[in-house]
Amino acid sequence: GAGVSQTPSNKVTEKGKYVELRCDPISGHTALYWYRQSLGQGPEFLIYFQGTGAADDSGLPNDRFFAVRPEGSVSTLKIQRTERGDSAVYLCASSFSGLNTGELFFGEGSRLTVL
Amino acid sequence: EDKVVQSPLSLVVHEGDTVTLNCSYEVTNFRSLLWYKQEKKAPTFLFMLTSSGIEKKSGRLSSILDKKELFSILNITATQTGDSAVYLCAVKETSGSRLTFGEGTQLTVNP
Repeated sequence: GAGVSQTPSNKVTEKGKYVELRCDPISGHTALYWYRQSLGQGPEFLIYFQGTGAADDSGLPNDRFFAVRPEGSVSTLKIQRTERGDSAVYLCASSFSGLNTGELFFGEGSRLTVL
Repeated sequence: EDKVVQSPLSLVVHEGDTVTLNCSYEVTNFRSLLWYKQEKKAPTFLFMLTSSGIEKKSGRLSSILDKKELFSILNITATQTGDSAVYLCAVKETSGSRLTFGEGTQLTVNP
């Protein structure tokens, strides 16, 4: 497709389980971002990739969260030992070159519910 | 730490009304302010503002930045039900690529 694709769109898991969320950015976009959005809040930055490398991972809340982008395209956000507080919509976004023009293209998000 | 505050948090108007949404910010090294519209899931880009006093306009939407007073406004004239959405304001520093978002303003336009 032409846009940013995220899977799954919904994920329900139990506390303590491991989850993976996938993001397929727009073809040719070198910059990829993960944000987390809780109900009634704005998106909160998690991590930014330029190519294959994490250029800024300072938004990851703790070491249970990890993200990879091995070939500079698809990215996976991994959450270990999930907690109820991890429940949120996880948004992925991509851009040509790290916000020089300001336009981030967002996916529709993966809604994670931890029971 | 960067901070973005939007007001009001929610607003209900009738079709045809004009609305003004506010965004104030505290940023160590400001580079730009951005507005996004979030209807259901994916935020979509509206404007990027970098200079004070220069209005950006797209149809019925317009926005302006005041770097001295550290705020921006988003105006929507002749509102339509399709304008109902959450409007997000975000700021970017000169270094790095992260955006810091405000909580958003939930706009509801009733017919």
